[in-house]
Amino acid sequence: DVQLLESGGALVHPGGSLRLSCAASGFTFNNYAMTWVRQARGAGLEWVASMSGSGDKTYYGDSVRGRFTISRDNVKNTLFLHMNNLRGEDTAIYFCAKDVDPDDYGLFDSWGQGTLVTVSS
Amino acid sequence: IQMTQSPSSLSASIGDTVTITCRASQNIDSYLNWYQQKPEKAPQLLIFATSNLQSGVPSRFSGSGSGTLFTLTIASLQREDFATYFCQHSFLNPWTFGQGTKVEI
Repeated sequence: DVQLLESGGALVHPGGSLRLSCAASGFTFNNYAMTWVRQARGAGLEWVASMSGSGDKTYYGDSVRGRFTISRDNVKNTLFLHMNNLRGEDTAIYFCAKDVDPDDYGLFDSWGQGTLVTVSS
Repeated sequence: IQMTQSPSSLSASIGDTVTITCRASQNIDSYLNWYQQKPEKAPQLLIFATSNLQSGVPSRFSGSGSGTLFTLTIASLQREDFATYFCQHSFLNPWTFGQGTKVEI
């Protein structure tokens, strides 16, 4: 079975940094693009960033481009999200999700349980 | 591409048939997916490419549409179907979701 386990969420001050991790198992990790999606409390889903299976292509939402960096370790089967210059509006649960394709098809067939990031002074 | 769902919430009874609408701000062909999210849980893929049920999804769920207008129909609503449903396009990055429709008892 596919399993995605996020970690790294925390309370951080505005302007601070954080690194989220997503440990993957149950599938051939480097065969699939991976994505981060976030959800503010009581709100909808917002796509954040995606990375191709090989790691050679990255895509970012406008609200995080230039502040967040997605990366992956295909040896350790782990996806990362490096977040810098955090703002209050970044407060959300962050989900990692597996794409159905190696090249960011935009269809997410497995999701982790999420990790909470709170940006507050 | 903006995705707009309606209604934002609805009340229904077990056994009812409910329909949720999703409208795209431009033509997305059939690149429309539906997710179900229960409280405090991760979203789960329900339907992909407008009308294809993800493995394990009951046949009472169905999807239709094309272009800019899509629907999710749940026939004979069951207790476990009370959840929030999101549409999402996979036509062209950036991927965007609808704001969600909460189906309540």
